[in-house]
Amino acid sequence: AQSVTQLGSHVSVSEGALVLLRCNYSSSVPPYLFWYVQYPNQGLQLLLKYTSAATLVKGINGFEAEFKKSETSFHLTKPSAHMSDAAEYFCAVSRTGLTGGGNKLTFGTGTQLKVEL
Amino acid sequence: DTAVSQTPKYLVTQMGNDKSIKCEQNLGHDTMYWYKQDSKKFLKIMFSYNNKELIINETVPNRFSPKSPDKAHLNLHINSLELGDSAVYFCASSPKTSGELFFGEGSRLTVL
Repeated sequence: AQSVTQLGSHVSVSEGALVLLRCNYSSSVPPYLFWYVQYPNQGLQLLLKYTSAATLVKGINGFEAEFKKSETSFHLTKPSAHMSDAAEYFCAVSRTGLTGGGNKLTFGTGTQLKVEL
Repeated sequence: DTAVSQTPKYLVTQMGNDKSIKCEQNLGHDTMYWYKQDSKKFLKIMFSYNNKELIINETVPNRFSPKSPDKAHLNLHINSLELGDSAVYFCASSPKTSGELFFGEGSRLTVL
C-alpha cells in the first residue's frame, strides 16, 4: 500500500518569506509523487510531479520539490511567498506516472498555507 | 470552455432522499473519477471509469451508483442519503499518457 504524510495541517508565512511544505511517502515500489493546489471553492490543480527523472522538479507559480529517496521525502518549496499562494496544498502518490487504467492517486491530508503581510 | 464541469455546484437535501450529480469533460480523456472530500479536506477516491468501464470501486456503500453513458460523462447517483454523505464531491479526468488529474470545481452536498 502507498501513503503520504503531510506534516503540519497549517503553515503560516510572511509575504516574501520561504515556503516549505513537508511531505513524506511510504511505498513498496518506486513512487510517483505529485503536489496539487486547491484554491477556495475550486477543484485541485497540478503544481508539479516527480516521475523518476530529475530529482529536483520545477512546477508552476515558482514552486519546486525535491525527491529524496534516503529521507522518503518530497517537500514543496518556494523562495518567496506571495499573497496569492494562500491555498490548500496536497501531496499525492501513485504506483506509476500514469493515472489511466487501474492506477490511482492517494492524497495526503493537506496543508493550509496562510500568507501574511 | 470549462474542461471538467459538474452540476449542480450546491445541493441541499433531506435524509432519505435520492440525488444525482452530473459530470462532463471536453478534454477527450479516457479515464474519469469521482472523489469525495470530507469536512477535514481529506480526499478519497470513490470510483474510476476507463472508457465507460468501471475499473476502481473503493469500498463505497452500494447506495452510490456511478454511471458512464459515454467516455465524456460520468454521473453519480446516491440513494437514501445519510448525514455522513455530506461532503464535496469532485469529478476528475485524466489522459492515458499523464499522471495529471483535471478536476471539476466540485459539488457541495449537504444532507439535513
